[in-house]
Amino acid sequence: EIVMTQSPVTLSVSPGERATLSCRASQSVSNNLAWYQQKPGQAPRLLIYGASTRATGIPARFSGSGSGTEFTLTISSLQSEDFAVYYCQQYNKWPPWTFGQGTKVEIK
Amino acid sequence: EVQLLESGGNLVQPGGSLRVSCAASGFTFSNYAMSWVRQAPGKGLECVSGITSDGRAFYADSVKGRFTISRDNSKNTLYLQMNSLRVEDTALYYCASPQGGGYYFDYWGQGTLVTVSS
Repeated sequence: EIVMTQSPVTLSVSPGERATLSCRASQSVSNNLAWYQQKPGQAPRLLIYGASTRATGIPARFSGSGSGTEFTLTISSLQSEDFAVYYCQQYNKWPPWTFGQGTKVEIK
Repeated sequence: EVQLLESGGNLVQPGGSLRVSCAASGFTFSNYAMSWVRQAPGKGLECVSGITSDGRAFYADSVKGRFTISRDNSKNTLYLQMNSLRVEDTALYYCASPQGGGYYFDYWGQGTLVTVSS
Protein backbone atom coordinates (compact mmCIF):
# COMPACT_ATOMS: atom_id res chain seq x y z
CA GLU A 1 0.00 0.00 0.00
CA ILE A 2 1.25 3.46 -0.88
CA VAL A 3 1.37 5.63 2.24
CA MET A 4 0.69 9.34 1.82
CA THR A 5 2.13 11.64 4.46
CA GLN A 6 1.02 15.26 4.73
CA SER A 7 2.78 18.05 6.56
CA PRO A 8 2.23 20.00 8.64
CA VAL A 9 -0.72 18.53 10.52
CA THR A 10 -1.93 22.05 11.32
CA LEU A 11 -1.00 25.29 9.56
CA SER A 12 -1.84 28.63 11.16
CA VAL A 13 -2.06 31.41 8.59
CA SER A 14 -3.40 34.96 8.56
CA PRO A 15 -5.93 35.95 5.89
CA GLY A 16 -4.14 37.24 2.81
CA GLU A 17 -1.00 35.24 3.49
CA ARG A 18 0.37 32.36 1.45
CA ALA A 19 -0.10 28.76 2.57
CA THR A 20 2.08 25.88 1.45
CA LEU A 21 0.98 22.31 2.15
CA SER A 22 3.12 19.23 1.48
CA CYS A 23 2.30 15.67 0.58
CA ARG A 24 4.83 12.85 0.28
CA ALA A 25 4.24 9.40 -1.20
CA SER A 26 6.06 6.30 0.04
CA GLN A 27 6.75 5.36 -3.59
CA SER A 28 6.36 7.13 -6.89
CA VAL A 29 2.80 7.92 -7.96
CA SER A 30 3.92 9.75 -11.11
CA ASN A 31 1.57 12.74 -11.38
CA ASN A 32 -1.51 10.76 -10.28
CA LEU A 33 -2.13 12.99 -7.31
CA ALA A 34 -5.26 14.91 -6.30
CA TRP A 35 -6.01 17.49 -3.62
CA TYR A 36 -9.33 17.97 -1.84
CA GLN A 37 -10.75 20.57 0.51
CA GLN A 38 -13.17 19.59 3.26
CA LYS A 39 -15.12 21.97 5.49
CA PRO A 40 -16.94 20.86 8.65
CA GLY A 41 -20.13 18.96 7.89
CA GLN A 42 -19.44 18.86 4.16
CA ALA A 43 -18.20 16.29 1.70
CA PRO A 44 -14.71 16.77 0.27
CA ARG A 45 -14.38 18.95 -2.83
CA LEU A 46 -11.89 18.23 -5.59
CA LEU A 47 -9.39 21.07 -6.03
CA ILE A 48 -6.52 19.67 -8.09
CA TYR A 49 -5.92 16.54 -10.16
CA GLY A 50 -2.97 15.37 -12.19
CA ALA A 51 -0.84 17.07 -9.49
CA SER A 52 -1.31 20.51 -11.04
CA THR A 53 -4.60 20.84 -12.94
CA ARG A 54 -7.31 22.84 -11.22
CA ALA A 55 -10.75 21.27 -11.19
CA THR A 56 -13.69 23.10 -12.69
CA GLY A 57 -14.57 26.27 -10.82
CA ILE A 58 -11.52 26.27 -8.54
CA PRO A 59 -10.01 29.74 -8.11
CA ALA A 60 -6.58 30.48 -9.52
CA ARG A 61 -5.16 31.13 -6.03
CA PHE A 62 -5.00 27.34 -5.65
CA SER A 63 -2.07 25.71 -7.40
CA GLY A 64 -0.46 22.29 -7.27
CA SER A 65 3.01 21.11 -8.16
CA GLY A 66 5.29 18.11 -7.93
CA SER A 67 5.66 14.62 -9.32
CA GLY A 68 6.95 11.26 -8.21
CA THR A 69 6.91 11.36 -4.43
CA GLU A 70 6.86 15.04 -3.47
CA PHE A 71 3.87 17.32 -3.98
CA THR A 72 2.80 20.79 -2.89
CA LEU A 73 -0.50 22.62 -2.71
CA THR A 74 -0.14 26.39 -2.55
CA ILE A 75 -2.87 28.86 -1.71
CA SER A 76 -1.45 32.19 -2.80
CA SER A 77 -3.59 34.54 -0.66
CA LEU A 78 -5.83 32.90 1.90
CA GLN A 79 -9.45 33.94 1.92
CA SER A 80 -11.81 33.34 4.84
CA GLU A 81 -13.51 30.52 2.96
CA ASP A 82 -10.21 28.65 2.54
CA PHE A 83 -9.87 27.69 6.19
CA ALA A 84 -10.54 23.97 6.06
CA VAL A 85 -8.86 20.56 6.03
CA TYR A 86 -6.95 19.57 2.91
CA TYR A 87 -6.25 16.02 1.79
CA CYS A 88 -4.00 14.61 -0.90
CA GLN A 89 -4.86 11.34 -2.65
CA GLN A 90 -2.83 9.08 -4.92
CA TYR A 91 -4.63 7.24 -7.68
CA ASN A 92 -1.63 5.64 -9.32
CA LYS A 93 -1.95 2.21 -7.75
CA TRP A 94 -4.80 0.11 -6.37
CA PRO A 95 -5.31 -1.41 -3.92
CA PRO A 96 -6.08 0.95 -2.50
CA TRP A 97 -6.22 4.55 -3.63
CA THR A 98 -4.90 6.23 -0.52
CA PHE A 99 -5.33 9.58 1.13
CA GLY A 100 -3.01 11.56 3.34
CA GLN A 101 -4.09 12.17 6.92
CA GLY A 102 -4.95 15.79 6.19
CA THR A 103 -3.64 19.27 6.94
CA LYS A 104 -5.88 21.65 8.82
CA VAL A 105 -5.47 25.28 7.75
CA GLU A 106 -6.61 27.50 10.59
CA ILE A 107 -6.80 31.21 11.18
CA LYS A 108 -3.75 32.66 12.92
CA GLU B 1 -26.38 18.31 -12.51
CA VAL B 2 -24.63 15.27 -11.03
CA GLN B 3 -26.23 14.10 -7.80
CA LEU B 4 -25.27 11.22 -5.53
CA LEU B 5 -27.65 10.38 -2.70
CA GLU B 6 -26.63 7.81 -0.13
CA SER B 7 -29.05 5.98 2.13
CA GLY B 8 -29.27 2.99 4.42
CA GLY B 9 -26.94 4.02 7.22
CA ASN B 10 -27.97 2.83 10.67
CA LEU B 11 -26.91 1.58 14.05
CA VAL B 12 -25.90 -2.08 13.94
CA GLN B 13 -24.33 -4.44 16.44
CA PRO B 14 -20.82 -5.85 16.00
CA GLY B 15 -20.95 -8.90 13.75
CA GLY B 16 -24.09 -7.63 12.05
CA SER B 17 -24.81 -6.74 8.44
CA LEU B 18 -26.01 -3.65 6.61
CA ARG B 19 -26.45 -2.55 3.02
CA VAL B 20 -26.02 1.07 2.02
CA SER B 21 -27.09 2.48 -1.32
CA CYS B 22 -26.21 5.42 -3.55
CA ALA B 23 -28.73 6.72 -6.07
CA ALA B 24 -27.06 8.54 -8.95
CA SER B 25 -28.53 11.07 -11.34
CA GLY B 26 -27.44 13.69 -13.82
CA PHE B 27 -24.99 11.50 -15.74
CA THR B 28 -24.85 8.18 -17.61
CA PHE B 29 -24.27 5.97 -14.58
CA SER B 30 -23.31 2.86 -16.56
CA ASN B 31 -20.36 4.64 -18.18
CA TYR B 32 -18.46 5.43 -14.99
CA ALA B 33 -16.61 3.73 -12.17
CA MET B 34 -17.90 4.36 -8.67
CA SER B 35 -16.41 4.12 -5.20
CA TRP B 36 -17.17 4.12 -1.51
CA VAL B 37 -15.01 6.35 0.68
CA ARG B 38 -15.49 6.38 4.43
CA GLN B 39 -14.57 8.81 7.17
CA ALA B 40 -14.53 7.74 10.82
CA PRO B 41 -15.61 10.45 13.28
CA GLY B 42 -12.92 13.12 13.48
CA LYS B 43 -10.61 11.15 11.19
CA GLY B 44 -9.39 11.20 7.61
CA LEU B 45 -10.62 9.62 4.38
CA GLU B 46 -10.32 5.96 3.42
CA CYS B 47 -11.33 4.51 0.05
CA VAL B 48 -12.71 1.08 0.92
CA SER B 49 -14.05 -0.15 -2.42
CA GLY B 50 -14.44 0.67 -6.07
CA ILE B 51 -16.20 -0.83 -9.07
CA THR B 52 -15.45 -0.19 -12.71
CA SER B 53 -18.06 0.52 -15.36
CA ASP B 54 -17.80 -3.11 -16.49
CA GLY B 55 -18.26 -4.47 -12.97
CA ARG B 56 -14.74 -5.24 -11.76
CA ALA B 57 -14.57 -4.73 -8.01
CA PHE B 58 -11.69 -3.61 -5.79
CA TYR B 59 -11.40 -3.62 -2.02
CA ALA B 60 -9.10 -2.24 0.62
CA ASP B 61 -7.51 -4.91 2.80
CA SER B 62 -9.44 -3.56 5.79
CA VAL B 63 -12.77 -4.71 4.31
CA LYS B 64 -11.80 -7.51 1.91
CA GLY B 65 -13.89 -10.61 2.47
CA ARG B 66 -16.49 -8.70 4.49
CA PHE B 67 -17.78 -6.00 2.14
CA THR B 68 -19.22 -6.43 -1.35
CA ILE B 69 -19.70 -3.60 -3.81
CA SER B 70 -22.20 -3.90 -6.62
CA ARG B 71 -24.10 -1.76 -9.07
CA ASP B 72 -27.46 -1.89 -10.79
CA ASN B 73 -27.17 0.14 -13.96
CA SER B 74 -30.90 -0.21 -14.68
CA LYS B 75 -31.61 1.60 -11.41
CA ASN B 76 -28.60 3.95 -11.49
CA THR B 77 -27.71 2.70 -8.03
CA LEU B 78 -24.51 1.67 -6.27
CA TYR B 79 -24.53 -0.64 -3.27
CA LEU B 80 -22.21 -1.68 -0.48
CA GLN B 81 -23.12 -4.84 1.39
CA MET B 82 -21.30 -4.87 4.70
CA ASN B 83 -21.08 -8.10 6.70
CA SER B 84 -19.25 -9.03 9.91
CA LEU B 85 -19.24 -5.40 10.91
CA ARG B 86 -16.73 -4.20 13.48
CA VAL B 87 -16.68 -1.21 15.78
CA GLU B 88 -13.88 0.24 13.64
CA ASP B 89 -16.21 0.28 10.61
CA THR B 90 -18.14 3.12 12.25
CA ALA B 91 -17.95 5.99 9.79
CA LEU B 92 -19.71 8.29 7.38
CA TYR B 93 -19.81 6.41 4.09
CA TYR B 94 -19.57 8.58 0.99
CA CYS B 95 -20.42 7.53 -2.52
CA ALA B 96 -17.94 9.11 -4.91
CA SER B 97 -17.61 9.16 -8.66
CA PRO B 98 -14.42 9.52 -10.68
CA GLN B 99 -15.49 11.03 -14.00
CA GLY B 100 -12.43 12.92 -15.14
CA GLY B 101 -10.49 10.02 -16.63
CA GLY B 102 -8.42 9.11 -13.58
CA TYR B 103 -9.46 7.67 -10.25
CA TYR B 104 -9.79 10.98 -8.50
CA PHE B 105 -13.21 11.91 -7.23
CA ASP B 106 -14.99 14.71 -9.03
CA TYR B 107 -18.33 14.13 -7.38
CA TRP B 108 -19.35 13.16 -3.86
CA GLY B 109 -22.58 12.49 -2.06
CA GLN B 110 -23.30 13.84 1.41
CA GLY B 111 -22.73 10.50 3.09
CA THR B 112 -24.68 8.02 5.18
CA LEU B 113 -23.70 7.24 8.77
CA VAL B 114 -22.98 3.67 9.82
CA THR B 115 -22.54 3.13 13.54
CA VAL B 116 -21.36 -0.23 14.83
CA SER B 117 -21.93 -0.52 18.54
CA SER B 118 -23.42 -2.84 21.11
